[in-house]
Amino acid sequence: AQSVSQHNHHVILSEAASLELGCNYSYGGTVNLFWYVQYPGQHLQLLLKYFSGDPLVKGIKGFEAEFIKSKFSFNLRKPSVQWSDTAEYFCAVNANVGGSQGNLIFGKGTKLSVKP
Amino acid sequence: GAGVSQSPSNKVTEKGKDVELRCDPISGHTALYWYRQSLGQGLEFLIYFQGNSAPDKSGLPSDRFSAERTGGSVSTLTIQRTQQEDSAVYLCASSLRLLSGYTFGSGTRLTVV
Repeated sequence: AQSVSQHNHHVILSEAASLELGCNYSYGGTVNLFWYVQYPGQHLQLLLKYFSGDPLVKGIKGFEAEFIKSKFSFNLRKPSVQWSDTAEYFCAVNANVGGSQGNLIFGKGTKLSVKP
Repeated sequence: GAGVSQSPSNKVTEKGKDVELRCDPISGHTALYWYRQSLGQGLEFLIYFQGNSAPDKSGLPSDRFSAERTGGSVSTLTIQRTQQEDSAVYLCASSLRLLSGYTFGSGTRLTVV
C-alpha cells in the first residue's frame, strides 16, 4: 500500500533559521506530490505541488520543495522562517495518475514552532 | 460558493447516537473527498466521490459509516451508533480536477461522550 512518512513530528526553530522538513513516499511509479499547511485554527491550504518537469518547485510564502525520484523524497524547504510560519505541515502523494482523481495519501504531519 | 462549507462546525453526541455531517463543495467541483483527522494521526482517507458515485470507499472504518452525494453537489457523511473512537475532526475537500489540488473545508469536530 502507498504510504507517506514525515520523520519529524515537531520542529522548533528560531526566526531566520533555515527549514527543511522531510517527506518520503512508497510508490515506484509516477506520482503527484503536495505539501499542505494548516495554520492554528485554520483549514488546510495548498502550499505547493509537483506533477512533472522541474523537480524544484516553488510555492507560496517563500517555500520550495525538491522532488528526488531516486530517494522517493519531496522535502520542503525555506531559507529563513518567520514566526508566522508556525503551523502544521502535511506532505501528500497521489499515485492514481493517468487522468483519474484518486485520493491523496497524507503523512502524519510535522508541527513547526518558530520562536520570535 | 466561494469555498468548501461544512456543517456543523462542532458536534457533541452521546455514544450510540447517529450523526450526519454535511459538506457543500465549491460549485462545479466534480470530485469530493472525506477525511478524518485525529490528534497525532494525520489525515485518514474515508471516501471519495466523482459526481454522485463513490469509486473508492476503501477508507470507511466500519459499516457504521456511510456517505452519499446527490446532484453532484452536497454530500452527507453518516455515522451510526457512534463510538468514542469516532471522535475526530471530519474534513471535506473538493477539486475541479487533480491538477488543481484539493480545497478543504474547515471541518466538523465530532466529540462522542
